[in-house]
Amino acid sequence: EVQLLESGGGLVQPGGSLTLSCAASGFTLNNQAMTWVRQAPGKGLEWVSTIGGTSGNTYYADSVKGRFTISRDISKNTLYLQMSSLRAEDTAIFYCANLRGAFYFDRWGQGTLVTVSS
Amino acid sequence: QTVVTQEPSFSVSPGGTVTLSCGLSSGSVSTSHYPSWYQQTPGQAPRTLIYSTNTRSSGVPDRFSGSILGNKAALTITGAQTDDDSDYYCVLHMGSGISAFGGGTRLTVL
Repeated sequence: EVQLLESGGGLVQPGGSLTLSCAASGFTLNNQAMTWVRQAPGKGLEWVSTIGGTSGNTYYADSVKGRFTISRDISKNTLYLQMSSLRAEDTAIFYCANLRGAFYFDRWGQGTLVTVSS
Repeated sequence: QTVVTQEPSFSVSPGGTVTLSCGLSSGSVSTSHYPSWYQQTPGQAPRTLIYSTNTRSSGVPDRFSGSILGNKAALTITGAQTDDDSDYYCVLHMGSGISAFGGGTRLTVL
């Protein structure tokens, strides 16, 4: 069974950094594209970043480009999102999801909350 | 920048039929955008309903269906149930690894 478990969220000051993790089970990351999606409090869902399965190519929303880095550790079967220069508007629940070949998000983690505040 | 558009809210009576739409601020939605639909209830992670325009995800009841209507993607719920009271989001594949969410539709069943 495919399962995704995010961790690493917490309170961080503006301008600070944080790294989120998403541990995957039931499949291997090296042949599955993965995505981070976020949801600000009371707002809609927003695509953040994708990493390709076999290619490992990375893609980012304009709102995070240059500040966030998506990566993966195949040996740990874990996806990461390194976030820097964090702003108050980055406050959100961050979900990881696997991206299937027909460009849809198949399974979702339960999310991890990131709060950017002084 | 092209924006994915959805109705902010909709209401339907139990047993009724409702169609939610997913459009583009510029241009038409086609199957090449691989429209997908997600349901989210408060405090929960999204649930995948429909992908590739009209393919139901595993375990999704057949009262949910997807299509292209005119220049938009559409999610139709036939025989709405109170459990369908949720937020619904569409996603379009915009090319070059980019996915775009619509703003979401708050569906009230009462």
